[in-house]
Amino acid sequence: DVQLVQSGAEVKRPGATVKISCKISGDTFSDYFMHWVRQARGNGLEWVGLVDPADGDTIYAENFQDRVTLTADTSSVTSYMELRSLRSDDTAVYYCAAGTLRDYSMNLWGPGTLVTVSS
Amino acid sequence: QSVLTQPPSASGTPGQRVTISCSGSGSNIGGNFLYWYQQLPGTAPKLLIYRDNQRPSGVPDRFSGSKSGTSASLVISGLRSEDEAEYYCAAWDDSVSGYVVFGGGTKLTVL
Repeated sequence: DVQLVQSGAEVKRPGATVKISCKISGDTFSDYFMHWVRQARGNGLEWVGLVDPADGDTIYAENFQDRVTLTADTSSVTSYMELRSLRSDDTAVYYCAAGTLRDYSMNLWGPGTLVTVSS
Repeated sequence: QSVLTQPPSASGTPGQRVTISCSGSGSNIGGNFLYWYQQLPGTAPKLLIYRDNQRPSGVPDRFSGSKSGTSASLVISGLRSEDEAEYYCAAWDDSVSGYVVFGGGTKLTVL
């Protein structure tokens, strides 16, 4: 049974950088996108971007273009999201979500990582 | 303000048929596949419908999706108490450099 295992909760100061990991556990798969989506408490889903682990290509949402870097390490089947210059409104649960269906759907989700930005 | 528009709430009684709408534009729903996600309280979202009307394995056939032009619908037949959740539509949007857009979500209450 395949799962996405995310790193633990983080507490950061404004202006800091956070890096979250997402590891595929169990049966692995090839040819997928890894998306990152965030959800502030009580709010809806917001797409951050995606990385294609096969070649490292990335697409970022315009709102995060200048502050986020998505990477993937195929040897460890782990993807990473680095978000810089954190602000209080970056406080949210960050999900990684794999899309294996050769479209932009996200059919396997991680449990989420809570990032709290507070002074 | 979400790019895709959903009603904030919907409700129904057990056994009923409920429809949740999602509207967008030609750069997203009108030209690309539409997806639906279900988020139960306190859990991660789950893919419910992909490519407008396809169900991943394990999703009951009580859930169905359709699309026409720049609008889409999720229909839940034979409503059950465990269907009480937040439902999100999503699509690829071709504007700017391309990105995924979500609806604001619809909270479904089973009365």
